[in-house]
Amino acid sequence: EVQLVESGGGLVQPGRSLRLSCAASGFTFDDYAMHWVRQAPGKGLEWVSGISWNSGGIGYADSVKGRFTISRDNAKSSLYLQINSLRVEDTALYSCARVGKYSSAFDIWGQGTMVTVSS
Amino acid sequence: DTVMTQSPDSLAVSLGERATINCESSQSVLYSSNNKNYLAWYQQKPGQPPKLLFYWASTRESGVPDRFSGSGSGTDFTLTISSLQAEDVAVYYCQQYYSTPYTFGQGTKLEIK
Repeated sequence: EVQLVESGGGLVQPGRSLRLSCAASGFTFDDYAMHWVRQAPGKGLEWVSGISWNSGGIGYADSVKGRFTISRDNAKSSLYLQINSLRVEDTALYSCARVGKYSSAFDIWGQGTMVTVSS
Repeated sequence: DTVMTQSPDSLAVSLGERATINCESSQSVLYSSNNKNYLAWYQQKPGQPPKLLFYWASTRESGVPDRFSGSGSGTDFTLTISSLQAEDVAVYYCQQYYSTPYTFGQGTKLEIK
């Protein structure tokens, strides 16, 4: 079964850091680009960051640029998001998503990991 | 950045009736070299991650019922459900993946009337 499972979320104080992980299974991870998308409670979807299959191409939303770092370990079939200098407005469910090989859209999504930033 | 604007924000339709959701992009998402519109539609039910319905604006993802259709080109797109079923209650999002940031519309909440 094709699956993405996120972990690493939690309750953190403003200014602190977190590292989110996304474990992929059921497909050849290094064949696919990957992205992080977040959803604040009761709000819509916001693209956060994306990375190409070989880490050669990386992009960030302006709202996270300079604070978030996306990376991947193809040997471990894992995607990561290092989040620094957390802000209250970063509170959201963070989900990883796979880019479809033929669609180029986000065809597989994880259930997400919740990040709550509060003092 | 390309701004995606959906209309309406919410929609109530009777079972068996047609539901139409519109999506407008502030810039064209049609890539001229391959004539593809980099526009996707997703369905999100409560407590679930989004599910891809359409890519290239009108190509149905495997397993999506054919009562769903996607259309449009350039900057104007439409998601249509020809005969609403109870299981179609969800929030629907369009997304452009033509250029980063890959922006989403604000979502359209579809309910039963």
